[in-house]
Amino acid sequence: NAGVTQTPKFQVLKTGQSMTLQCAQDMNHNSMYWYRQDPGMGLRLIYYSASEGTTDKGEVPNGYNVSRLNKREFSLRLESAAPSQTSVYFCASSEALAGGPDTQYFGPGTRLTVL
Amino acid sequence: GEDVEQSLFLSVREGDSSVINCTYTDSSSTYLYWYKQEPGAGLQLLTYIFSNMDMKQDQRLTVLLNKKDKHLSLRIADTQTGDSAIYFCAESRGGGFKTIFGAGTRLFVKA
Repeated sequence: NAGVTQTPKFQVLKTGQSMTLQCAQDMNHNSMYWYRQDPGMGLRLIYYSASEGTTDKGEVPNGYNVSRLNKREFSLRLESAAPSQTSVYFCASSEALAGGPDTQYFGPGTRLTVL
Repeated sequence: GEDVEQSLFLSVREGDSSVINCTYTDSSSTYLYWYKQEPGAGLQLLTYIFSNMDMKQDQRLTVLLNKKDKHLSLRIADTQTGDSAIYFCAESRGGGFKTIFGAGTRLFVKA
């Protein structure tokens, strides 16, 4: 079991470039999430997908798009990168059964720098 | 709105107990969680507590919940250098609702 995997681990972009962060989970979880982590601000939810075929905005969706390609994969796209998007990006997944605990499993993160 | 607050830093000596505190605002929170993040890694769930419980113990970890004051704490007994990490408090109403994370408390353990 690999759990949650993310690629790439590191990326440097120039302002205006685009890229897609990939995430996959092998735990057959329904829900998947994309967060960004900035110093002193904890985790902020960008987008989430409660089930295959659905996506919803989180707290900071501007400048990002997502695709829930299938139950396993959830990608995050930056169409035109800006320096403010320099951050560490985490993907997570959870079973999220109604009424049950939302125990999330996290990937190792992607460290993105936008120059 | 929903908010989770925790102090940013805590420093303890090896062998002492660590107590990390957290307050939350959502009175409908059903589950409260503690996650640990080691350097360069993602978050890992340490433990969670259901809102009808006051305390949960798991080896060196003790979670205390004061629902009236919306206060959650994590006590680590006999703190070791390997416990140095960032600890995140989080709350949710359960599956189907978003989990809200605090900013994290960075624990330094001095040898």
